[in-house]
Amino acid sequence: KNEVEQSPQNLTAQEGEFITINCSYSVGISALHWLQQHPGGGIVSLFMLSSGKKKHGRLIATINIQEKHSSLHITASHPRDSAVYICAVMYSGGGADGLTFGKGTHLIIQP
Amino acid sequence: EAGVTQSPTHLIKTRGQQVTLRCSPISGHTSVYWYQQALGLGLQFLLWYDEGEERNRGNFPPRFSGRQFPNYSSELNVNALELEDSALYLCASSLVRWSGVSTDTQYFGPGTRLTVL
Repeated sequence: KNEVEQSPQNLTAQEGEFITINCSYSVGISALHWLQQHPGGGIVSLFMLSSGKKKHGRLIATINIQEKHSSLHITASHPRDSAVYICAVMYSGGGADGLTFGKGTHLIIQP
Repeated sequence: EAGVTQSPTHLIKTRGQQVTLRCSPISGHTSVYWYQQALGLGLQFLLWYDEGEERNRGNFPPRFSGRQFPNYSSELNVNALELEDSALYLCASSLVRWSGVSTDTQYFGPGTRLTVL
């Protein structure tokens, strides 16, 4: 069964802390997405990775294909970063498919 | 440039009714994905359309169906609504040249929140 596991499920931190959210998956993928969902449902795509590392502002995403693991880091966290962060993968293989999602990490940054 | 748009924003239906949700992709995007986010279940893949064809569907019953129009907009139809169909339905679009694998970023719409009473 193709699964996407995220940890932690919930994370509360103080403003300014360095945040790490982890994602692991079970079989080969063609791409991994990190998504951000704010209260009310709106989803924003933060990164799409197939190898290496990407950085956008205070956000950094890394992926290790051999270990089937990705991390999302937030530096100098701010209360506006409070959201649910979702890891999603596109599995490689003979047939195309939609994304398979992790259950999300609920992040709260306290001022 | 306009993002992915969905209509309606909210919808209330009763059991047994039928509903149609609409999605307009980003201009130039040919692929449209539909996802369901039911309470406590997380996001699940529903359907993928590309170039007017249904390319794949998730583990949902046949009463979930849809289509993609020549302008690449899409409809999701749900027949014989059940209480557990209450969810946020998200549409996403991407630019895909059909090769069997999508590796392009998906851009999400704001969603349609469906409540079934």
